[in-house]
Amino acid sequence: EDQVTQSPEALRLQEGESSSLNCSYTVSGLRGLFWYRQDPGKGPEFLFTLYSAGEEKEKERLKATLTKKESFLHITAPKPEDSATYLCAVDTPYNTDKLIFGTGTRLQVFP
Amino acid sequence: EAEVAQSPRYKITEKSQAVAFWCDPISGHATLYWYRQILGQGPELLVQFQDESVVDDSQLPKDRFSAERLKGVDSTLKIQPAELGDSAMYLCASTDNLNTEAFFGQGTRLTVV
Repeated sequence: EDQVTQSPEALRLQEGESSSLNCSYTVSGLRGLFWYRQDPGKGPEFLFTLYSAGEEKEKERLKATLTKKESFLHITAPKPEDSATYLCAVDTPYNTDKLIFGTGTRLQVFP
Repeated sequence: EAEVAQSPRYKITEKSQAVAFWCDPISGHATLYWYRQILGQGPELLVQFQDESVVDDSQLPKDRFSAERLKGVDSTLKIQPAELGDSAMYLCASTDNLNTEAFFGQGTRLTVV
């Protein structure tokens, strides 16, 4: 069964304290891995898509990387406005393009 | 900037009542998804449309849930009768056929009392 696991469940950082969020996946085949940001009470906001091992993408203080079994979302010098839940999802060739989500990492950045 | 529109944003209903949610995807997006997100969990797919056709409704509780996308544009998700366990965020998302990333609406927060 296809599965996505995110860790840690929650992360508290001081402003400027860099860290990484992990997304590990067990799937029959990977078409793409997606990172979303979700603020409380709102829908997920698309951040990145990664398609193959070794691929990296950056956006402001965020950098996503992909290996054959996991992805990392690196947050460099975070600010309080980076506080949100970060969701990882995978798309496989055998699931009619639907996304399988992890449970997310809830990030809090304190000033 | 194009957005996925959903309404209402919030809905409180009594158990055993009927409730409906509406979604208007980004213009030109042929694929539309309805996801359900329970607090503290990731979204789970309920139903997927390609134009007006259902592609995947394997996780839709068909005894009480129904979904339609009659003209292949906007969509309605209905629950009848609502149960306490249906309290969740209902998210609509859409994508075109060129890219696989899905764009989400702001969701409808349903509370069943």
